[in-house]
Amino acid sequence: AQSVTQLGSHVSVSEGALVLLRCNYSSSVPPYLFWYVQYPNQGLQLLLKYTTGATLVKGINGFEAEFKKSETSFHLTKPSAHMSDAAEYFCAVSLTRSNDYKLSFGAGTTVTVRA
Amino acid sequence: SQTIHQWPATLVQPVGSPLSLECTVEGTSNPNLYWYRQAAGRGLQLLFYSVGIGQISSEVPQNLSASRPQDRQFILSSKKLLLSDSGFYLCAWIPYGVASYEQYFGPGTRLTVT
Repeated sequence: AQSVTQLGSHVSVSEGALVLLRCNYSSSVPPYLFWYVQYPNQGLQLLLKYTTGATLVKGINGFEAEFKKSETSFHLTKPSAHMSDAAEYFCAVSLTRSNDYKLSFGAGTTVTVRA
Repeated sequence: SQTIHQWPATLVQPVGSPLSLECTVEGTSNPNLYWYRQAAGRGLQLLFYSVGIGQISSEVPQNLSASRPQDRQFILSSKKLLLSDSGFYLCAWIPYGVASYEQYFGPGTRLTVT
């Protein structure tokens, strides 16, 4: 069963437009949620995370995400896209509470930014 | 400061040849370590993880194996590579005793099996 679903494998936006990347999850425990960004041929870099507390979390590069428990969602947004935002984005969820601290990753969404 | 290294950065190997990829973390002790494979359009697949020296857990049956001979060293190996082993291999770590689940990733190794 899919634990993390990212809707849309590719998203194309104009420079200056809103970026919206969707992530839905299923978890039997209160989840920890993450968004990572990957530039070509590089490792993953953390954009932001939700563990507890405020459900609207702000990250680097102007991104933010909101945890909505009722919708089991953690969508990523940025009000105004920049050319440098072109990359692949991954949503990740912790599915258990154990000392392995494993994450389950979505399939990723590739963002292209049009000038 | 803590850093993670992976080598080699790129590798081209023929089918049937052996493989050894290395991951080393500096500036920390007893980290949790992870090996992922990233294939085009398929996201990240967790291959192995380790919570301590000599402790390896496998997530999927496959042609690969992992070892942790030292506290901060994690090695991914194969005796005979298959075409399907091609991909981008990422190593990640979590500091010991930090229950935030935030994983830190290395720069990756691009493996092409020909």
